[in-house]
Formats: sequence, structure tokens, C-alpha cells
Amino acid sequence: GAVVSQHPSWVICKSGTSVKIECRSLDFQATTMFWYRQFPKQSLMLMATSNEGSKATYEQGVEKDKFLINHASLTLSTLTVTSAHPEDSSFYICSAKGGLAGGREQFFGPGTRLTVL
Amino acid sequence: GESVGLHLPTLSVQEGDNSIINCAYSNSASDYFIWYKQESGKGPQFIIDIRSNMDKRQGQRVTVLLNKTVKHLSLQIAATQPGDSAVYFCAENYQAGTALIFGKGTTLSVSS
Repeated sequence: GAVVSQHPSWVICKSGTSVKIECRSLDFQATTMFWYRQFPKQSLMLMATSNEGSKATYEQGVEKDKFLINHASLTLSTLTVTSAHPEDSSFYICSAKGGLAGGREQFFGPGTRLTVL
Repeated sequence: GESVGLHLPTLSVQEGDNSIINCAYSNSASDYFIWYKQESGKGPQFIIDIRSNMDKRQGQRVTVLLNKTVKHLSLQIAATQPGDSAVYFCAENYQAGTALIFGKGTTLSVSS
């Protein structure tokens, strides 16, 4: 089956620093990837949609200058949390849409736990 | 915006019982629905999906029912096992290439 990986699986950083999270589709090409954020005991909330070779589309309330998304290839999207603060501590999950144009299934990564001190 | 909701936040069952997890969706344009299982600290795991042209779909020990009239989705798990303990999310999608919208989640707790 289609596999999506994320790196790192967890990260602890100091307030004010930037953190980059990678999302990779290992055995398929993903023209579209999605970034979600999940706070404890809550659901997954969509942050942005990332299309290869173009600018990401951000959901309302998500600061594009704070959460930088780059989808430079068909197998890699990165999310950079800039000037992280404790309120950015969360579980970040990416998903990738399969290659078929009409395909509906999305494949999820294992998530990255970010803790900002 | 519109979102998928849930009827019950927690469900506790005995091992061997059948479990039913419910979900209400609000976007009448959604035509693809998925159930995910999420264990603590992990990403969502696909369980089963259904398209709007169907009202029932069965998998291994799981069945998804879709009632478009009342915009209701349910997941039935037969002979629930302790390993089924997790949070279950329903998600909806209205167009290929767009993101999934997740419901709030139901915590299923299975006791031996």
C-alpha cells in the first residue's frame, strides 16, 4: 500500500526558533498533500493544501507567514513553523493524495509531535 | 464552515460485543466518506470508505452505513476486541483533490 512518512516523529524546541517537518510519499507520486494540526483530545484540523510546484492554500485563521509550506517535488512537502511559541505545540499530520486524478483516498503520515518550550 | 460532527464522544463496550459509532455530516455536497482509527500518538489509519451511491459497505468485521436522507454515517464493529480501543473519526469529502473534513472523534474503550 501507499506509504507516507514524516520526519522527525517528535521535536522539542525553544520558543522563537524555527522547526521544519518533512512529509514524504515513499512509493507513489503525490501532486497534492495536506497538512493538519491536532491538539490533545481534539480532531484533525486542516491547515493548508499543498500542490507540487505552486503556492499552498491556507485555511482561514492559519498564518501563511508563520507556517511555511514548500512542495518542491512530487514526493516531498515541508512545513516550517517559524518563530515557534508554546501555543504552536501540537501534533502535525500530513496526508498525500494518490496519483489517480479521480482518486479519493488519501494516505496519512504517522505525525510529528512538536513541543515548544 | 460546515463540518462533520459526532453524536457520542465516548463508547465503552465489553470484549465480544458489537460496537456502533455514529456520525452526522452537514455538507450535502459530500459524496465520499471514510472512517479512520487513531491510536495514541499515531496518524489516522484507514478503516473503510463509502461513496454516496451506496448505503452500505462491509469489510472485515466492520460495516459502514450511509443514510443520505438524514446525513448520517455509522461504523459497526463486530465482536469488538481490546485492540479496537482507539479514537474513531469519520471524514467527508466533496470533491477529488480537496481535503478531508474530520468529525470530532469517538473514543472506543473495550474492556476484557
